Amino acid sequence: GENVEQHPSTLSVQEGDSAVIKCTYSDSASNYFPWYKQELGKRPQLIIDIRSNVGEKKDQRIAVTLNKTAKHFSLHITETQPEDSAVYFCAADTGRRALTFGSGTRLQVQP
Amino acid sequence: GAGVSQSPSNKVTEKGKDVELRCDPISGHTALYWYRQRLGQGLEFLIYFQGNSAPDKSGLPSDRFSAERTGESVSTLTIQRTQQEDSAVYLCASSSIAGSFSEQFFGPGTRLTVL
Repeated sequence: GENVEQHPSTLSVQEGDSAVIKCTYSDSASNYFPWYKQELGKRPQLIIDIRSNVGEKKDQRIAVTLNKTAKHFSLHITETQPEDSAVYFCAADTGRRALTFGSGTRLQVQP
Repeated sequence: GAGVSQSPSNKVTEKGKDVELRCDPISGHTALYWYRQRLGQGLEFLIYFQGNSAPDKSGLPSDRFSAERTGESVSTLTIQRTQQEDSAVYLCASSSIAGSFSEQFFGPGTRLTVL
């Protein structure tokens, strides 16, 4: 089955700096890669996703890149703000079953 | 419209007791998923339902865990003879299409504590 690895497990940045979170996956059949944000005590919510037919997608301060050859994808947050502090999960979907999630990255943005 | 709801929000039980957790998906969503999230950990897939197809139970950790769903409505996750390692938040999610690039909408979760 699919295996998704996520790094780093924790990340601390200064407000205004950029943050990058990286994930690798094992199943070459995976073709959908969403990112979820989970604030403390709250439910995960989708923030951005990318399909395998594109290499990059951007939404304001958030961007995701995908390298299918290397089987890795990354989340980029620019101009970080304190409200970006949360746990971020990457996931991969082969289209055959539920998402396989990474172990999460706890992002702390220092004001 | 209403999102995914789960009940109870918190459940404290004694080791060895059975518990039943409930999930109400978004109306019209054909796919429903259960995940387990231990404290400070990621989301662990348990089971998913897609319409009237046989559920994918490949994530259930033991035969003490089972789940049912009637049509495209409510689902219940049952844990029999609970153990302390079952303590976690159990999250339910639904999507309009299963495994086909469709956003999963999560419920608020049920926090289970097994004493």
